[in-house]
Amino acid sequence: KQEVTQIPAALSVPEGENLVLNCSFTDSAIYNLQWFRQDPGKGLTSLLLIQSSQREQTSGRLNASLDKSSGRSTLYIAASQPGDSATYLCAVKRGDSGGSNYKLTFGKGTLLTVNP
Amino acid sequence: KAGVTQTPRYLIKTRGQQVTLSCSPISGHRSVSWYQQTPGQGLQFLFEYFSETQRNKGNFPGRFSGRQFSNSRSEMNVSTLELGDSALYLCASSLGGANGYTFGSGTRLTVV
Repeated sequence: KQEVTQIPAALSVPEGENLVLNCSFTDSAIYNLQWFRQDPGKGLTSLLLIQSSQREQTSGRLNASLDKSSGRSTLYIAASQPGDSATYLCAVKRGDSGGSNYKLTFGKGTLLTVNP
Repeated sequence: KAGVTQTPRYLIKTRGQQVTLSCSPISGHRSVSWYQQTPGQGLQFLFEYFSETQRNKGNFPGRFSGRQFSNSRSEMNVSTLELGDSALYLCASSLGGANGYTFGSGTRLTVV
């Protein structure tokens, strides 16, 4: 059974700091990995999608890496801003029991607070 | 282009009642998935539909059911509501395959 862990559970940083959020998964047979952002009471906003054959993806101040063999991904946020405050979730996509009936398995998220 | 639309945004129901939630995916997306989010359990997979067929189902009781129509819109039904069903229900659509998911804003269900 796939398990996804995100560390730390919460992080508070001053504005302008660079930071790294971590995600680990137990089964490396994934199809892809997706990072999301969730604001309080809202839905999920997709940030980055990394296919299993890729090592990293970048979008603006965000950079996500994937090391499938070790079951790890990191989300790097450069020059953090108060508007980055949210919960960040990583999710891995794989088939149920290794088959083709895909689903996402989520971590519990990292609550990020960027202080002005 | 329009995103994933979920209706209603908020619902308050009484224990024992049933409820139906609706999800309209992004145009052209044939895969629709449903997830339940609670503070204690986080995001948990309910089921996935593709071209009107349920392809995968999570570990939820039979009170949770769904369907998908020919226009890819999907509905989720919960019968005999329990207090523990109070949650944010999220719908996600995808082109399938190697593509990622786009989520809707969710339906906040409160059971009293």
